[in-house]
Amino acid sequence: GQNIDQPTEMTATEGAIVQINCTYQTSGFNGLFWYQQHAGEAPTFLSYNVLDGLEEKGRFSSFLSRSKGYSYLLLKELQMKDSASYLCAVAGGTSYGKLTFGQGTILTVHP
Amino acid sequence: DTAVSQTPKYLVTQMGNDKSIKCEQNLGHDTMYWYKQDSKKFLKIMFSYNNKELIINETVPNRFSPKSPDKAHLNLHINSLELGDSAVYFCASSPPGAIPYSEQYFGPGTRLTVT
Repeated sequence: GQNIDQPTEMTATEGAIVQINCTYQTSGFNGLFWYQQHAGEAPTFLSYNVLDGLEEKGRFSSFLSRSKGYSYLLLKELQMKDSASYLCAVAGGTSYGKLTFGQGTILTVHP
Repeated sequence: DTAVSQTPKYLVTQMGNDKSIKCEQNLGHDTMYWYKQDSKKFLKIMFSYNNKELIINETVPNRFSPKSPDKAHLNLHINSLELGDSAVYFCASSPPGAIPYSEQYFGPGTRLTVT
């Protein structure tokens, strides 16, 4: 089976940097995704890591360590609009395309 | 606009009723999914179709039946609705390619409330 763990809530200040961690245990691994979901809206894709290391995309970066079953999403120069839920999802197992999501981390950015 | 669309956006119905949610994508994707997001915000896969073929069928009551008339549409029919079925249901699609675990594009969601 698969188990994904991430903090339930985090708060940060506008302009700051925040790191959202995700740990996972999975049978079979084909990559890790981060999605952003604003309240009442659909999840939207942020990043995908399948190899160890850091992937950078503008203000957002995502890191993966497969040996440690660990990933983080780094958000820089926080803006109020970054207040959202951040979902860690693991692609694994034997089912084609199956993603298993964590419960999400609700990030609140304060002025 | 190119997107994943769902209808209806809101659905309020009584226990025991049968209802359907429709999903369409015009992105040219081969794979479509249904997810359920409960009140605790867990997003869980229910079904997935690839080119109209069922490829993921999670442990879901058989009151839920997906139907894919073509690869651009994936509908979800729910029989004998129960209170516990209240949730937001998201449809998603992903493009074909060498990497099967491509990003998924989500529809706006259907908020189902069973009273």
